[in-house]
This record gives sequence, structure tokens and C-alpha cells, in this order.
Amino acid sequence: GAVVSQHPSWVICKSGTSVKIECRSLDFQATTMFWYRQFPKQSLMLMATSNEGSKATYEQGVEKDKFLINHASLTLSTLTVTSAHPEDSSFYICSARGAGRRQHYSNQPQHFGDGTRLSIL
Amino acid sequence: SQQGEEDPQALSIQEGENATMNCSYKTSINNLQWYRQNSGRGLVHLILIRSNEREKHSGRLRVTLDTSKKSSSLLITASRAADTASYFCATDPSAGKSTFGDGTTLTVKP
Repeated sequence: GAVVSQHPSWVICKSGTSVKIECRSLDFQATTMFWYRQFPKQSLMLMATSNEGSKATYEQGVEKDKFLINHASLTLSTLTVTSAHPEDSSFYICSARGAGRRQHYSNQPQHFGDGTRLSIL
Repeated sequence: SQQGEEDPQALSIQEGENATMNCSYKTSINNLQWYRQNSGRGLVHLILIRSNEREKHSGRLRVTLDTSKKSSSLLITASRAADTASYFCATDPSAGKSTFGDGTTLTVKP
């Protein structure tokens, strides 16, 4: 099955630090990657959608200068939380979707990484 | 805003029993997906059912879709302790991005 690797799995850092999270599709080409944020016992909140080679599309209320997304290749997207503060502490999850051979793009499931727990002190 | 809404929010059953979770949504969809999330982990895709399908099976999982009622159900038969997790439905209306519900937390007691 499709595998998505997310790294690191856990980050603890001081306020003001910038943190980069990587999301890699290991055995398929991800035309689109999604970045989510999840608070305890809550659902996933979509932050942004990134397509390879183009600028990410951010959801309403998500600061694009705060959460920098780069999708430089078909297998790698990064999320950088700039000048992180305690309120940025959360569980961040990426997912990737491939183009598929026969099925329409919209009928491809998302494949998720294992998430990154970010704690800002 | 949330598109999918799962019901119930929490479900506790004994091992061997069946577990049924429901999902309702509001707009037209291309497909609906069910995912499982173990605590502190990412989501695992379980089943995708297209808007022109009414029922789909995968092992002990059975998913139904009623587009007239804008609802779906996930049935897990002969549940096991390892099925303990949160289950989410996600709708995929058009632009290629899914919208997740708040999930059902399933606890299967051994």
C-alpha cells in the first residue's frame, strides 16, 4: 500500500523557534499534499493544500506567513512553523494523494503520515 | 465548517459484538471515505465508497451510502480489542479536498 512518512514525530522547542516538518510519499508520486492540524479529541482541521510546483492554497484563517509550505517535488512537502509560540502547539498531520492510473483524481484516497506532535515551551 | 458528522460520538462494546457508526453530510459528494485513527497516530484509510455505490465490503467492514439521505454507515462485525480507535468519515465534494467529521471513538472491551 501507499506509504507516507512524516518527520519528525515529536518536537519540543522554545518559543520563537522555527520548526520544519517533512512529509514524504515513499512509493508513489503525490500530486497533492494536505496539511492538517488536530487538537486533542477533535477532528482534523485542514490548513492548506499544496500541489507540486505551485503555491499552496491556505484555508481561511490560516496565516500563510506563519505556516510556510513548500511542495518542491512529487514526493516531498514541508511545513515550516515560523517563530512558533505556545499556541502553535498541536498535532500536525500531512496526507498525500496520487493521480491514479484509471480512477479519477477525486476518487483517490488520502494516505496519511503518522503526524508530528509539536510542543512549544 | 465540518461537512461530515459522525454519530455516536463515543461507542463502547464487548469484543465479538458489532459496532455501527453513522455519518451525515450536507452537500453533494463525489465519494465518501472512512478512516481509522489510533491514539496519537495518523489516519488509516479503510474504505472509499463512490456516490453511485450503495454498499461496499472489506473484510469485517461494511459501508453503506444513501445519497438521498446524505448519510453513510460503517459496520464493524465481530469486533476485536484492536479495533479500539477513532473513526472518521470524510466527504470529497469536488475540489479534491476532503472534509472530516468529529469522529466516533470506539472502545472494544476484551
